[in-house]
Amino acid sequence: AQSVTQPDIHITVSEGASLELRCNYSYGATPYLFWYVQSPGQGLQLLLKYFSGDTLVQGIKGFEAEFKRSQSSFNLRKPSVHWSDAAEYFCAVATNNNAGNMLTFGGGTRLMVKP
Amino acid sequence: GAGVSQTPSNKVTEKGKYVELRCDPISGHTALYWYRQSLGQGPEFLIYFQGTGAADDSGLPNDRFFAVRPEGSVSTLKIQRTERGDSAVYLCASSPGQKETQYFGPGTRLLVL
Repeated sequence: AQSVTQPDIHITVSEGASLELRCNYSYGATPYLFWYVQSPGQGLQLLLKYFSGDTLVQGIKGFEAEFKRSQSSFNLRKPSVHWSDAAEYFCAVATNNNAGNMLTFGGGTRLMVKP
Repeated sequence: GAGVSQTPSNKVTEKGKYVELRCDPISGHTALYWYRQSLGQGPEFLIYFQGTGAADDSGLPNDRFFAVRPEGSVSTLKIQRTERGDSAVYLCASSPGQKETQYFGPGTRLLVL
């Protein structure tokens, strides 16, 4: 069965600093990978996704992620964090079977931004 | 256009009661998913509909949970004999097809007293 691990439960960065959120997955086949962001009281918003092709994917709000098959990782990065980026971030992997794209999520990383 | 909507946004009930949670997907989306998010955790898959039929209900925790989508659009998640452990945020997502990006609603926060 597939699984996703986000090793960092909380991360605090200063505004303007760079950010990297870690994600490791376990899945037997080629994964579909996603990063979602969840602000308080809000639903999950898709930041970016990887299905195939270029392993460096660009998303909204200046985020990017790199798929590294050898490390089973899909880390999220942003060169300069803004205070509005404070939220919870979830990495997810989708099964690729005939029953649709059931998502398996990691436990999330809560990002706090210091002024 | 309108996103996924869920009603109610909050529901407080007593242990043993029956509740229904509603999801209105994005118009034209054929795939619909329900997830449950407990406090401090990531969402967990419950059930997936393709059209009117439940294509995968492997995530439903027990037979107290049931979901329907009779006309292939709106879906209702039904929980019988609620327990305190059912307290969570229930999220609905829809997608244009079965292997496409899922768009999430704001969720229904269920509290069982």
